[in-house]
Amino acid sequence: QITLKESGPTLVKPTQTLTLTCTFSGFSLSTSGVGVGWIRQPPGKALEWLALIYWDDDKRYSPSLKSRLTITKDTSKNQVVLTMTNMDPVDTATYYCAHEQTDYFDYWGQGTLVTVSS
Amino acid sequence: QSVLTQPPSASGTPGQRVTISCSGSSSNIGSNYVYWYQQLPGTAPKLLIYRNNQRPSGVPDRFSGSKSGTSASLAISGLRSEDEADYYCAAWDDSLSGLNWVFGGGTKLTVL
Repeated sequence: QITLKESGPTLVKPTQTLTLTCTFSGFSLSTSGVGVGWIRQPPGKALEWLALIYWDDDKRYSPSLKSRLTITKDTSKNQVVLTMTNMDPVDTATYYCAHEQTDYFDYWGQGTLVTVSS
Repeated sequence: QSVLTQPPSASGTPGQRVTISCSGSSSNIGSNYVYWYQQLPGTAPKLLIYRNNQRPSGVPDRFSGSKSGTSASLAISGLRSEDEADYYCAAWDDSLSGLNWVFGGGTKLTVL
């Protein structure tokens, strides 16, 4: 049974760096073809893909946010960490992590709401 | 503004068949698979259709997907009240920076 759970601060100040952790179980990020991605959703708005990391440490980033994002994995801890620098109120959103099986996200975490406000 | 274009809303009565469209370009839908997600209020998205028309186990066959050229569609037959949700299409996009995920703006389905 695959499960994922996001954790991190619920409130960050503008210009601060956000660090989110995705802790998962039921799969290994060292298995060929497996990836973990991050997707966010501002309140009442659409989904937006942020970043993705694969079993072989291949990393993909949203072109529009690439300069602000870093994704890393700790296979031994079953965790993936996303950092986003220079946070702004427009970054207020629910942040989801999801398991990618070869070419699609099939399992999602429950999401964590991050509010950016001074 | 989302890379993939969906109508903001759709509606139908119980038992009806409704379709939701998703329009893209040659760099995404035109050359890659399309995926559909259902998001019930207050919950995380759930995979509904993968690789254009494949249903994960547990997804009723009332849901079907299709693709033609740079557009795709999700059809829901025998509409039920529990189908009221937001629906998102997604695809890989071949950009200069490599392969990236893109999503549609979402369609809110109302069951009248």
